[in-house]
Amino acid sequence: DQQVKQNSPSLSVQEGRISILNCDYTNSMFDYFLWYKKYPAEGPTFLISISSIKDKNEDGRFTVFLNKSAKHLSLHIVPSQPGDSAVYFCAARGAGSYQLTFGKGTKLSVIP
Amino acid sequence: GAGVSQTPSNKVTEKGKYVELRCDPISGHTALYWYRQSLGQGPEFLIYFQGTGAADDSGLPNDRFFAVRPEGSVSTLKIQRTERGDSAVYLCASSPYSGTGLHEQYFGPGTRLTVT
Repeated sequence: DQQVKQNSPSLSVQEGRISILNCDYTNSMFDYFLWYKKYPAEGPTFLISISSIKDKNEDGRFTVFLNKSAKHLSLHIVPSQPGDSAVYFCAARGAGSYQLTFGKGTKLSVIP
Repeated sequence: GAGVSQTPSNKVTEKGKYVELRCDPISGHTALYWYRQSLGQGPEFLIYFQGTGAADDSGLPNDRFFAVRPEGSVSTLKIQRTERGDSAVYLCASSPYSGTGLHEQYFGPGTRLTVT
């Protein structure tokens, strides 16, 4: 039973446009959410996080939105750049736990 | 500063053999994690160390898997009697201690294990 779901395996976006990556979760005990970016043959790189007490967190071109009632979060990248092309993983942490539960990832391709 | 390093980067072994995978965390990070990533999947949690002790080993799939961190820094993941299903990328991560746990984990490049 997957507790963190990224239903889009891939996404293509034109350079300069907005990229929106989505993530759904089922465990209401999750209280901290993170997005990681992964290039081939490298480990995941932390991008941005959000605590369950917030509904939005912004860092430069990256914004994460959290909708707790819908158990849904999204990552917005504006404007998208070719260097953003990578696999993006959504991850969640349960209250009182230190382990992260990851989705399967979404491969983003930004087309010049 | 230096990030998380893992050795070897690639390991090919025969079914039934024993392997050790090493992780050097970021200096000063007291928390260390092991994850396993199979093809087409996200990383899956294996074990978490706070200092020298395994605070959570609930993700270890069976008793063939064992990990140590004797001095609270370097960690070794040990797999006995390897099986083909153990083939995956093994990722190590570290983070500073945070009582709330609200701190991102920094990942190494991983060790790709192939069991033939």
